[in-house]
Amino acid sequence: GAGVSQSPSNKVTEKGKDVELRCDPISGHTALYWYRQSLGQGLEFLIYFQGNSAPDKSGLPSDRFSAERTGGSVSTLTIQRTQQEDSAVYLCASSPTLLAGRTDTQYFGPGTRLTVL
Amino acid sequence: RKEVEQDPGPFNVPEGATVAFNCTYSNSASQSFFWYRQDCRKEPKLLMSVYSSGNEDGRFTAQLNRASQYISLLIRDSKLSDSATYLCVVRGAAGNKLTFGGGTRVLVKP
Repeated sequence: GAGVSQSPSNKVTEKGKDVELRCDPISGHTALYWYRQSLGQGLEFLIYFQGNSAPDKSGLPSDRFSAERTGGSVSTLTIQRTQQEDSAVYLCASSPTLLAGRTDTQYFGPGTRLTVL
Repeated sequence: RKEVEQDPGPFNVPEGATVAFNCTYSNSASQSFFWYRQDCRKEPKLLMSVYSSGNEDGRFTAQLNRASQYISLLIRDSKLSDSATYLCVVRGAAGNKLTFGGGTRVLVKP
């Protein structure tokens, strides 16, 4: 079946511009996560959506970053006034929710490689 | 101190040899543990969950030591295709947020 998809796969933008990154999770998965990964570094948690609950935004690095998830499915990560340090691969993952309300394995999308010039 | 710490490596391993590495976590209330594998310029994929009793999946063995707050991964009879970065992942006591370690890079050479 279809996995997690992300678009665009690559995005080059100029410093100061806004960008929107899209994530389509696996159908039926209630949990959705955004991470970013700089070159040679580990994954940095950004934000987590679980069903209709308020998202966990504890990982967003600044107020220039925001994310929404419409209809419990597609999510958009928006970065306003991009800076060069925002350059990274932005990964989205989705996860099903188990009967006990816990989420299980995360399935990652291929990522969006963002380059801010 | 980082929540999840790993030796970044690289671990240079002759083909056919055994390699093992650990991951330490700071939150003693952490509940679930996983190893993910990430190939160069690819997304992470689940390798295996780590259970309290330890578990094995083919050539891979994972162990959990709650007293010392670390998990380990052992790869036997290493293959060239095992070359990757291995990410340690921990789920905290509250909620479903997963915390990733920085990864351990393994290079298997002929």
